[in-house]
Amino acid sequence: DVKVTQSSRYLVKRTGEKVFLECVQDMDHENMFWYRQDPGLGLRLIYFSYDVKMKEKGDIPEGYSVSREKKERFSLILESASTNQTSMYLCASSRTFRGNQPQHFGDGTRLSIL
Amino acid sequence: QKEVEQNSGPLSVPEGAIASLNCTYSDRVSQSFFWYRQYSGKSPELIMSIYSNGDKEDGRFTAQLNKASQYVSLLIRDSQPSDSATYLCAVTPAGGATNKLIFGTGTLLAVQP
Repeated sequence: DVKVTQSSRYLVKRTGEKVFLECVQDMDHENMFWYRQDPGLGLRLIYFSYDVKMKEKGDIPEGYSVSREKKERFSLILESASTNQTSMYLCASSRTFRGNQPQHFGDGTRLSIL
Repeated sequence: QKEVEQNSGPLSVPEGAIASLNCTYSDRVSQSFFWYRQYSGKSPELIMSIYSNGDKEDGRFTAQLNKASQYVSLLIRDSQPSDSATYLCAVTPAGGATNKLIFGTGTLLAVQP
């Protein structure tokens, strides 16, 4: 089974802090994704990566950056946390094989910015 | 027009009934379609994939795809209270080269005991 592990289930940080969310997958997947999910807004793509050191902006990249130094690890960075970044953050991964493949999600990190 | 549309619900069905969840998408070239189940406070879990027109069955779940009508549905037979969750439809975007998926906002299903 695919295992996508996010470093924290719950996280509380203060406004202005630099926040790191870590995600690790164990299936040698090429693609990794970061989403945030808010009530009524569904899943919104922040950034994704299709290879080591490669990244592309999603629909809402402002205020975020990412890092992918190793194939299995994809980090989301909140450069200067703000209260409107309080949300559920979901990491996902997928393989590139014969067209689009499903994404597999981690358990999520519920982040609160005070 | 949203790229992937789902009725937000809640869809309420009695235990043992068939639940029918629907999804329409705007991009005619989409090739891959997925259904995810998400329990409250949890992350989405893949339950069905479908790539060609017709029906695909897996246990109590049947996915139906009609590319001409740009419509994909999920049927849950013998619905159980444990099926109560939000069901997300996901579709490949135009071109499909980026490995992204476009998600609907989900339909909340409530199965009444």
